[in-house]
Order: sequence, then structure tokens, then C-alpha cells
Amino acid sequence: NAGVMQNPRHLVRRRGQEARLRCSPMKGHSHVYWYRQLPEEGLKFMVYLQKENIIDESGMPKERFSAEFPKEGPSILRIQQVVRGDSAAYFCASSQTTGEGEKLFFGSGTQLSVL
Amino acid sequence: GEDVEQSLFLSVREGDSSVINCTYTDSSSTYLYWYKQEPGAGLQLLTYIFSNMDMKQDQRLTVLLNKKDKHLSLRIADTQTGDSAIYFCAERRGNMDTGRRALTFGSGTRLQVQP
Repeated sequence: NAGVMQNPRHLVRRRGQEARLRCSPMKGHSHVYWYRQLPEEGLKFMVYLQKENIIDESGMPKERFSAEFPKEGPSILRIQQVVRGDSAAYFCASSQTTGEGEKLFFGSGTQLSVL
Repeated sequence: GEDVEQSLFLSVREGDSSVINCTYTDSSSTYLYWYKQEPGAGLQLLTYIFSNMDMKQDQRLTVLLNKKDKHLSLRIADTQTGDSAIYFCAERRGNMDTGRRALTFGSGTRLQVQP
């Protein structure tokens, strides 16, 4: 059973370009979370999705950022018109259970560098 | 400031015990977690504790929870060089009905194990 898969591992973009980060949850998991980690900091929640639905996007910047988790295929975190401040590690996590005791399994992250 | 606070750095000698501390602020937290992050990797769930427990032991790991003081600790017995990593505590807050399910992470404690 493969873990949470994220790609690419490293992504370099110039200011103003678009970044697309992909996350395939563990098999059987229908809950996906995206977190951002700045250097020397903890993870900051961005968005929580279930298949075809955004459940909680309270941590997502209002502009330029969007996320989806389609019925088929991976979850995508999309950042339009990237700026240097978007440089960070972006982690995806998935879980299977609902309710209390939910365990999140994390991918290895995508390191986004904006030049 | 952070809702979940940890000291930044801990250094121990191989074979000693390590104690990593964490304080949180939300009394409605239901589950508290410890994650380990090795360089260039995602977060690995180590253990978790439900808020109505005060201790949980899992092999070399012991979690202590003082709910009154909102203090959580992780003790690693017989620390090995392979335990060198960043350790994050995280809390899950209550009220699943609102759909708010995200974990709130501390900034992490870097554990360095000296041979």
C-alpha cells in the first residue's frame, strides 16, 4: 500500500508563473489536507477537501490559491502568479476515518522555490 | 503567537532519555499528536493521546498529558542517533460538526543526539 504521493518533489518557478502541486492520497483515503511549512516553522493548515468538495479553506489565502480534489485523479494545489513569499514546502496529508482519532499520513512534500 | 508552543532545540547523549515539551491553549482539544520529521521528508505519526488520558506508553515512547496545565510531553527512552529529527506536537480541536478538522502544529523541537 503506497503512502501519500506528492509530485514534483522540487518545483522552481519564476515570479508570475503558475505552480501546480499534486497529491495522491493513500489508497482508500477520501480526506485530503494541504499544509505549508516555512523554514524553521511548523506546518500551517491551508485547506481540507473530500472528493469533489472543499470542506474547510480557512487557511488558504483569498487570492491566487486554489485547491481541488476531483472524483478521479490526484488533489491539486494551484498557485497563480507566484511571488517569492510563496517559497515553502507544501505537504499533503490524507486520512481514511472520520470522527475522533483520525490519523493523518503525510507525503514527502513539494519544495517550491520562486526565483 | 503560536497556539501550540515548543522549545526549539534539545541535545542529548545517545542512551539518555529525551523529553520534549509542548504547551497548547485550546481546552477543547480532543486529541494531541506527536509527529517526527526527518530531513527532506514528510511528517511521520509517532503517537497520539486522547484528552481524557493522562499517559500513554508505546515501546520507547511515553506521552504525558497534563490537561489542567495544557502541557504535553514526549519521552524517548534510550535515545539513539536515529532519533535525531524535528518533533512536532499537534492538537485537534473539538467540534467536528463545523467541519473544522485541521490539526494545529507547534513550530517543532529539533532533537540532536550526540554519539
